[in-house]
Amino acid sequence: SYVVTQEPSVSVAPGQTARITCGGVNIESKSVHWYQQKSGQAPVLVVNDDSDRPSGIPERFGGSNSGNTATLTISRVEAGDEADYYCQVWHTDTDLYVVFGGGTKLTVL
Amino acid sequence: QVQLVQSGSELKKPGASVKVSCKTSGYIFTKYAVNWVRQAPGQGLEWLGWINTETGDPMYAQGFRGRFVVSLDTSVSTAYLQINNLKAEDTAVYYCARETAEVATPPFDYWGQGTLVTVSS
Repeated sequence: SYVVTQEPSVSVAPGQTARITCGGVNIESKSVHWYQQKSGQAPVLVVNDDSDRPSGIPERFGGSNSGNTATLTISRVEAGDEADYYCQVWHTDTDLYVVFGGGTKLTVL
Repeated sequence: QVQLVQSGSELKKPGASVKVSCKTSGYIFTKYAVNWVRQAPGQGLEWLGWINTETGDPMYAQGFRGRFVVSLDTSVSTAYLQINNLKAEDTAVYYCARETAEVATPPFDYWGQGTLVTVSS
């Protein structure tokens, strides 16, 4: 089965840039989607297909995907960005199925 | 506007069954697949499977085959997740989520609010 790995936590000061990574074998061949989940709430899609932003998501959220690592970048971090972030891919072996990363807790200092 | 509204929290005993509903509105139900995602207390997201809302065909992740059943009622634009023979480790929040249409490996663009299922004797 395919495994994607995220760092458990990232801390950043307000106004700085946060980078959250999602590692997987040859992940650049897949479309990576990113979700933000604030405490007690449902996840929200913040980046799809490596680097696209859904309508309503601030331009501060961006993404990239190269080699074995995809990265979610949050510029000019705000206190309201504090949340858990999950990456998600689809993988095919005998079937097509969804894989989530373990999640990264973003703390705004 | 697109909405997915799930049924309320459930408290069940081990061995019982539970059926969680996900009522959709604001779009054509049969054009977008519905996925189910589980989140145990303090844990990450875990994908259970999905259902093709046009054909009614479900597909389950490994580990969720057998006791977990996904179904539809297209007349009321609602998807269901039934869990049979509940175990304590099924205690979790269960989310339904809509796939973006017409993409091979889609993201989940809209989510239900989640349903807490607690299994305890």
